[in-house]
Amino acid sequence: AQTVTQSQPEMSVQEAETVTLSCTYDTSESDYYLFWYKQPPSRQMILVIRQEAYKQQNATENRFSVNFQKAAKSFSLKISDSQLGDAAMYFCAYRSANGRGSNYKLTFGKGTLLTVNP
Amino acid sequence: NAGVMQNPRHLVRRRGQEARLRCSPMKGHSHVYWYRQLPEEGLKFMVYLQKENIIDESGMPKERFSAEFPKEGPSILRIQQVVRGDSAAYFCASSPLLGQGVKNIQYFGAGTRLSVL
Repeated sequence: AQTVTQSQPEMSVQEAETVTLSCTYDTSESDYYLFWYKQPPSRQMILVIRQEAYKQQNATENRFSVNFQKAAKSFSLKISDSQLGDAAMYFCAYRSANGRGSNYKLTFGKGTLLTVNP
Repeated sequence: NAGVMQNPRHLVRRRGQEARLRCSPMKGHSHVYWYRQLPEEGLKFMVYLQKENIIDESGMPKERFSAEFPKEGPSILRIQQVVRGDSAAYFCASSPLLGQGVKNIQYFGAGTRLSVL
């Protein structure tokens, strides 16, 4: 079974600075997808960024980028120019690419609570 | 295009009562997933449904929990004879197609917070 580990329960960053959130995962599969979801105080789960394991290029979405190290099974999220609205719980998630019924589920880490200081 | 709608947002039940949580997927989506989030934890998969079919219920407790996604109407997660340990946030997600691409993204609702007294 796949597992996702986020080793930083809490992180803080100054507004306009850069912060990196860590995520490692364990899998025996070669093809899969990785996601970062954001959960603000409203509890709504919002997709931040996604990465296909077969792509070597790291995904970017505006101020959000990832450092995907497939051999190390590491998938960190970098937030540049942090804003107050970035304050939230961030979850790393894994999904198999095998495409058979049970493989569509997302496996989540426990989350990292990000505080942005003005 | 409305997002995934869950209701109620908050549900309070006494031990032994039944809880019914509803989820209306995004328009055009025919696949629904339910997840549970316990305090201080990440979301954990419970069940994956297609219209009128349960595809994977490997994360669902064997007793008291059931889920359905009828041809018409929302998906329902039903918890019978609730206990205090059922207190959690329950999230529903939907996706547009049964495919392998990363575009088959799961879009989440805002969740239902169940409190069992």
